[in-house]
Amino acid sequence: DSGVTQTPKHLITATGQRVTLRCSPRSGDLSVYWYQQSLDQGLQFLIQYYNGEERAKGNILERFSAQQFPDLHSELNLSSLELGDSALYFCASSPPGQGNEKLFFGSGTQLSVL
Amino acid sequence: DQQVKQNSPSLSVQEGRISILNCDYTNSMFDYFLWYKKYPAEGPTFLISISSIKDKNEDGRFTVFLNKSAKHLSLHIVPSQPGDSAVYFCAASFTNFGNEKLTFGTGTRLTIIP
Repeated sequence: DSGVTQTPKHLITATGQRVTLRCSPRSGDLSVYWYQQSLDQGLQFLIQYYNGEERAKGNILERFSAQQFPDLHSELNLSSLELGDSALYFCASSPPGQGNEKLFFGSGTQLSVL
Repeated sequence: DQQVKQNSPSLSVQEGRISILNCDYTNSMFDYFLWYKKYPAEGPTFLISISSIKDKNEDGRFTVFLNKSAKHLSLHIVPSQPGDSAVYFCAASFTNFGNEKLTFGTGTRLTIIP
């Protein structure tokens, strides 16, 4: 158990809909990262938050948005969903001052868009 | 543009033998490399890393080799054990003053045959 909690584990929805994925980082971790893993693809970096502020942005679509709340949990909002958004979405957190080697991943949310 | 490539989607190795997983990268600015291991229904977990100032790092049965001139790294597992059966992701990052993000390969599924 990495200590990073993601809910829900599975999500099935229809095209055009909007969903919210939730992530609770490990206690004490200030950074939250979101990654997307599509079929036969590596983990694609979406966005990073540090202590409530956006720190880095990757290949995140404009239909997607995220935020980190004062209690440090994070939400990834996906809207106007398309079939191609079906993927495994991972959240990761890291301790303050640590580099990428200290990323702790949650078990992911499997999103299926039908 | 896949900056980190794992060209072997799968690999099968006999228990007790050596497993060698390969990874190539294209961005010469990468200065830190990592291997993550992923079991089904779990998030990736950090396995071993290497800085670009080194050419080898060893941790128990796991050794990572870095060949900067060839932009190639490899993970050696000796001896291979059934519990090593998992998907292995190679990842790379570069120092970006707190905005480091990991660029992942597509993964290699390692199966250890008893």
